[in-house]
Amino acid sequence: GEDVEQSLFLSVREGDSSVINCTYTDSSSTYLYWYKQEPGAGLQLLTYIFSNMDMKQDQRLTVLLNKKDKHLSLRIADTQTGDSAIYFCAESYSGGGADGLTFGKGTHLIIQP
Amino acid sequence: EAGVAQSPRYKIIEKRQSVAFWCNPISGHATLYWYQQILGQGPKLLIQFQNNGVVDDSQLPKDRFSAERLKGVDSTLKIQPAKLEDSAVYLCASSSRLDGEQYFGPGTRLTVT
Repeated sequence: GEDVEQSLFLSVREGDSSVINCTYTDSSSTYLYWYKQEPGAGLQLLTYIFSNMDMKQDQRLTVLLNKKDKHLSLRIADTQTGDSAIYFCAESYSGGGADGLTFGKGTHLIIQP
Repeated sequence: EAGVAQSPRYKIIEKRQSVAFWCNPISGHATLYWYQQILGQGPKLLIQFQNNGVVDDSQLPKDRFSAERLKGVDSTLKIQPAKLEDSAVYLCASSSRLDGEQYFGPGTRLTVT
């Protein structure tokens, strides 16, 4: 079955880079996503990547995909206090709003001053 | 553009009682999803609608959960009777084929005592 794994916590100092990792098991996953959830708020899509890509960059965010190892990472450059949140990795087969998402348990990003 | 609306935001009920949640998706979005997010976990898809038809309800506990989207716009999710393990945040999301992104509402936090 489908499974998405993430480490539960990551602590970084303000100004450093944060790297959040995710592994997935479904080799048919076509779209991989990173969502951000702040306390009491809904989920916000940060970025996504197609499985035929290995990297995507969007301002401070860099997504790396190793399809062979089924490993996805999100790098946040120059981490700020506003980046403190839970980050979810998610996958879907067809994307484009056609499929429900399978989420990991989320990584709590803690920012130290 | 208004986002996905959900109500109520919070609900406390006793076990064996019934409860209903309401979702109003973004105008024009044909696809609507209900997710259950238990504390400390990622969201889990319960049901997906395309207009007023069910696309996927494989993870919906049909003995107690039901959902409808009669006119292809608003949706309600009902639990009858509730169990302690139903305590969670219930998230509604919607998407259109145009950009495929799933937009999430703020969720309804259910506590079953």
